[in-house]
Amino acid sequence: AQTVTQSQPEMSVQEAETVTLSCTYDTSENNYYLFWYKQPPSRQMILVIRQEAYKQQNATENRFSVNFQKAAKSFSLKISDSQLGDTAMYFCAFRGETGTASKLTFGTGTRLQVTL
Amino acid sequence: GEEVAQTPKHLVRGEGQKAKLYCAPIKGHSYVFWYQQVLKNEFKFLISFQNENVFDETGMPKERFSAKCLPNSPCSLEIQATKLEDSAVYFCASSPYRGTGTDTQYFGPGTRLTVL
Repeated sequence: AQTVTQSQPEMSVQEAETVTLSCTYDTSENNYYLFWYKQPPSRQMILVIRQEAYKQQNATENRFSVNFQKAAKSFSLKISDSQLGDTAMYFCAFRGETGTASKLTFGTGTRLQVTL
Repeated sequence: GEEVAQTPKHLVRGEGQKAKLYCAPIKGHSYVFWYQQVLKNEFKFLISFQNENVFDETGMPKERFSAKCLPNSPCSLEIQATKLEDSAVYFCASSPYRGTGTDTQYFGPGTRLTVL
């Protein structure tokens, strides 16, 4: 079974600064997908960024980028130029390739607070 | 529609009562997933469907939980004889047929179930 670990329950960053959220996972599969979801106080789950394991290039979406280290099974999220609207829970998630592995397995989340 | 719709937004039930939650996936999406997020923010996978067929039900507490996805109707998740520990936010997510090459799950706004 896959597991996803987020070791930072809470993080704080000042506006305009850069912050990195950590995520590690464990799997025996060779091909899979990794995601970061943002959950603001409204509870809506918003996809931030996704990475396919077979792609070596790190995914980027505007101010959000990942550092994907397949051998180390690490998938960290970097938020540049942090904004107050980035304040939210951030969940790392894993999804396998086929069959019952296609469900998302989530980490326990990191609460990010962006301050002035 | 272009978004996953979930109804109702909030649901309050007395212990032992029945609760029924609904989900309309994004038009054209073949996969539907149900997740439970308890107050500690942990996500638990419940069940998934490929069109109207159960795809993976490994997370379902089968004694009291049931789910359906029927043609031309919203999908539903029903809890018979609710218990206090069923209090959670229930998320529905949908995903396109894998043949399109994309695999992201898009989440609805959730239904908050409170069992008193």
